[in-house]
Amino acid sequence: QVQLQESGPGLVKPSETLSLTCAVSGYSISSDYYWGWIRQPPGKGLEWIGSIYHSGFTYYNPSLKSRVTTSVDTSKNQFSLRLSSVTAADTAVYYCARVRGTHPYWYFDLWGRGTLVTVSS
Amino acid sequence: QSVLTQPPSLSGAPGQRVTISCTGSSSNIGAGYDVHWYQQLPGTAPKLLIYGNANRPSGVPDRFSGSKSGTSASLAITGLQAEDEADYSCQSYDSSLNYWIFGGGTKLTVL
Repeated sequence: QVQLQESGPGLVKPSETLSLTCAVSGYSISSDYYWGWIRQPPGKGLEWIGSIYHSGFTYYNPSLKSRVTTSVDTSKNQFSLRLSSVTAADTAVYYCARVRGTHPYWYFDLWGRGTLVTVSS
Repeated sequence: QSVLTQPPSLSGAPGQRVTISCTGSSSNIGAGYDVHWYQQLPGTAPKLLIYGNANRPSGVPDRFSGSKSGTSASLAITGLQAEDEADYSCQSYDSSLNYWIFGGGTKLTVL
């Protein structure tokens, strides 16, 4: 059974960098699939942040691209998100997910439980 | 404001049929890109409900069905049950924006 689990600080100060990791169990991320990050501000809809392949190839939301970096660590079977220069608008529940389908007909078939990140001083 | 428009809320009585709409444009749904649907129970992560417009993953009851026509898509739920009370979101790709987009979500209340 494939499972995803996000981890990282729940509180980040404004202007600092948000860092999250998604540990994958039950499947080797170096085998196939893109892996993605999606966030949901409190009381709002879902927003795609970016997706990464095990080779390191990435797609990013253009509105976040200048601040987003994603990476893959196949030795630890996990992938990571870094979002720089955060503001209160980046406060959200951050989800990692597995990407399925043929580009660009992608969808997200497995999700982590999500982690709330609050940006506040 | 989301590129894909959904009604913010909807309600129905147990046993009824409800339909949730997802309205897009010529650069996403109307361009032929697939629509996918997610169910989010209170306080939990989204769960894939429908993929590729009308396909159900294993384990999703056949009470849930999806369709697409023109620049819109719909999620139908028949035989409404109390456990169906959740937020439902549609998702597609937009070729003008060049990324994957979600609807704002619809909160379904079972009366």
